[in-house]
Parts: sequence; structure tokens; C-alpha cells
Amino acid sequence: AQSVTQLDSQVPVFEEAPVELRCNYSSSVSVYLFWYVQYPNQGLQLLLKYLSGSTLVKGINGFEAEFNKSQTSFHLRKPSVHISDTAEYFCAVSAYQGGSEKLVFGKGTKLTVNP
Amino acid sequence: KAGVTQTPRYLIKTRGQQVTLSCSPISGHRSVSWYQQTPGQGLQFLFEYFSETQRNKGNFPGRFSGRQFSNSRSEMNVSTLELGDSALYLCASSSLAGVEKTQYFGPGTRLLVL
Repeated sequence: AQSVTQLDSQVPVFEEAPVELRCNYSSSVSVYLFWYVQYPNQGLQLLLKYLSGSTLVKGINGFEAEFNKSQTSFHLRKPSVHISDTAEYFCAVSAYQGGSEKLVFGKGTKLTVNP
Repeated sequence: KAGVTQTPRYLIKTRGQQVTLSCSPISGHRSVSWYQQTPGQGLQFLFEYFSETQRNKGNFPGRFSGRQFSNSRSEMNVSTLELGDSALYLCASSSLAGVEKTQYFGPGTRLLVL
């Protein structure tokens, strides 16, 4: 079965600083990887996804993530954060397993951007 | 296009009651998935419907059920509510089914069971 570990439950940073939100996964089959963002009192919004091809994926709002198969990681990065990036970020892994689709989310990382 | 809408946005029920939540997907989307979000368990998949057929189901008891109508609108029902059912219930729609699909989420229905 797949599992997703987001290594940091909370990440505080200052505005304009770089940030990395870490995500590791485990799976015995090929996976598809997603990062979603959830702003307060809202649903989830897709930031970016890795399906195949280039391991560096660029998403919305200046975010990017790199798929590292050997380290089973899909870390999310942004070179300079804004106050408006304060939100909760979820990493998710999708795969066919046991004849059906499985989508598993990590527990989330709360990013707080301070002035 | 209008986004995914969920009604009601907030709901308070008591133990033992039942509840029905509604989800209207983005126009043209035929796949609707439901998730339960709690602080302790995080986001957990409930079920997915595609063209009125349930095509995938998570590990929830039979008290949780759903259906999809011919216009792709979906409802989720929880019978005999328990305190642990208090959660944010999220609906997501997609134009396609499959593991590669991009899901568009609604704002959720926050259910409080007293």
C-alpha cells in the first residue's frame, strides 16, 4: 500500500525567504504525485503534478517540485514566499494497486509566512 | 466556468441522526469524489462516482453512502451519526477518471455532530 509522509507539520518563514516543504512516499508500483494547497475555509487547489517526463515540475504561484525516484521524494519549493502563501499544503500519491486506484494524502504542512 | 459547489456549508446534527450532503461538479465533469478531512486522520477518500456508477470506495463503514445523478450532481449520506463523524467533507470533480486525473475541490461542508 502507498503511504505519504510530510516531514514537517509546521513551517514558519519570513516573507521573501525561500521555502522547501518535504514529502516522501512509499509505494511498490509506479506513482503519480500531486501537491495541493488549502487556504483557510476553502477546499484544496492543485499547485502542480508529476505524471511523467521531466522530474522538475513547475506549478502555479511560483512553486516547483522535483521528483526523485531514488529517494522517493517530491519536495515542494519556492524561492521567495509572500504573506499570501500562508496556507496548508498537502502532498498526494496516486497509483493503481490491487486492481483499483488509490489516492493517499499526506497529513499536511502548515506554512506561515511572517512579515 | 463555475467551480464545484457544496451545500450546505455548515451543518449541526446530533448523534443518531442522518445527514445528506450535496455536491454540484464543474459543468462537463463526470467524476465526483468525496473526502473526509479531520485534524487527526487528515484527508481520507470516501468514494468516487463516474457517470452514475461507483467506481472506487475507501475504507469507511456502510453508514457512509453516496450516489450520482444523471446531471453528475452527487449526494453523500451518513446514517446513524457518531461524534467521530464531525469533519469537513470535501467533494472534488474531474473531467476524467483514472489515477492521472486533476481534481477540482469544492469549499466543503463542515459537519458538527453533538
